Amino acid sequence: EADIYQTPRYLVIGTGKKITLECSQTMGHDKMYWYQQDPGMELHLIHYSYGVNSTEKGDLSSESTVSRIRTEHFPLTLESARPSHTSQYLCASSGGGSGNYGYTFGSGTRLTVV
Amino acid sequence: TQLLEQSPQFLSIQEGENLTVYCNSSSVFSSLQWYRQEPGEGPVLLVTVVTGGEVKKLKRLTFQFGDARKDSSLHITAAQPGDTGLYLCAGGQWDMRFGAGTRLTVKP
Repeated sequence: EADIYQTPRYLVIGTGKKITLECSQTMGHDKMYWYQQDPGMELHLIHYSYGVNSTEKGDLSSESTVSRIRTEHFPLTLESARPSHTSQYLCASSGGGSGNYGYTFGSGTRLTVV
Repeated sequence: TQLLEQSPQFLSIQEGENLTVYCNSSSVFSSLQWYRQEPGEGPVLLVTVVTGGEVKKLKRLTFQFGDARKDSSLHITAAQPGDTGLYLCAGGQWDMRFGAGTRLTVKP
């Protein structure tokens, strides 16, 4: 049974729409992450959070924004979707220090912008 | 420049064969993790290695962390079709970086 949930699983939207990808975890983890992954390609870190009211940008330049108002919730928002945003978005959480406890990933949201 | 280099990129073998995949970097990592990802799903953690030279076994999978903590290998004995998937290594501290992965196909 998954302890980290992402919704929606699949999303097809038109260019210019605002969307929010949801991510929630029930493990009480303080660290949460968003990764972007194109089919068959590596994961790129786009945002991370070390706790409530803490958010940082990752390596990959992204036009998305995130918020962390509650420990369990880490939504990602695209204000104006473009076809270049088409990708899979993976949310993860971690409870340990220095990454030693590993990440728990959600099943991902596959986004298609037409 | 990719922080973690994984090789080979693709590997297709017959059921029952042994294989080794590699994860290399010029950086030293405090820990390194291996994940397996199936199509349409998120990666699932297999193991975390922390100490240089450490060897961990998970059934038919053997993971080794290099003495200098810059590289790691994953060896699978008697591969089965259920081992098919994308194997990813990841390293770092608070924010992990992933390699591009080795895509393994095990044919029955």
